[in-house]
Amino acid sequence: EVQLVESGGGLVQPGRSLKLSCAASGFTFSNYYMAWVRQAPKKGLEWVATISTSGSRTYYPDSVKGRFTISRDNAKSSLYLQMNSLKSEDTATYYCARQSYYSRGFDYWGQGVMVTVSS
Amino acid sequence: NTVMTQSPTSMFISVGDRVTMNCKASQNVGTNVDWYQQKTGQSPKLLIYGASNRYTGVPDRFTGSGSGTDFTLTISNMQAEDLAVYYCLQYNYKYTFGAGTKLELK
Repeated sequence: EVQLVESGGGLVQPGRSLKLSCAASGFTFSNYYMAWVRQAPKKGLEWVATISTSGSRTYYPDSVKGRFTISRDNAKSSLYLQMNSLKSEDTATYYCARQSYYSRGFDYWGQGVMVTVSS
Repeated sequence: NTVMTQSPTSMFISVGDRVTMNCKASQNVGTNVDWYQQKTGQSPKLLIYGASNRYTGVPDRFTGSGSGTDFTLTISNMQAEDLAVYYCLQYNYKYTFGAGTKLELK
């Protein structure tokens, strides 16, 4: 069974940093592109970052480019999101997601981890 | 950036209804569109990929169609368990989600 379990969320002050982790199991992690998607409270979904199978290629929207860094450790079947210079608008539930075999969408999602940016 | 405009924002429906919701892309995205279902308090679930392909295990009452800029998700014979917010996603260039269509009971 595919499982994605996020951790590392919490309350952080504006301007500070936080690192999220996602532990993957139930599939060959190194064979799949992985991503982070977030959802602000009572709002819709927003793609945050994608990483290639080897980690050599990363992709971001303009809203987080230069502040967030996605990375992975295939030996540990783990995905990470380093978030720097956090802003109040980064407050959201962050989901770890596996890119689908069938499309570039996402076929498995974690349960999400909450990040609150507030003083 | 490609904007995905979903309509309607919400719908009040009854069990057994046929439900149709739409997603319009601001530019041609081919068939690079997925549909997701998110129930309250849960993570999103993939329903349709490549605009019209039903994902594994998705009931056949869910049908996706469209290409280019106009896409539709249809639920025939709506069930109570289908109450949720539905999102479209384009991945032709990077990723953009629509704002969602919320299905509620009349």
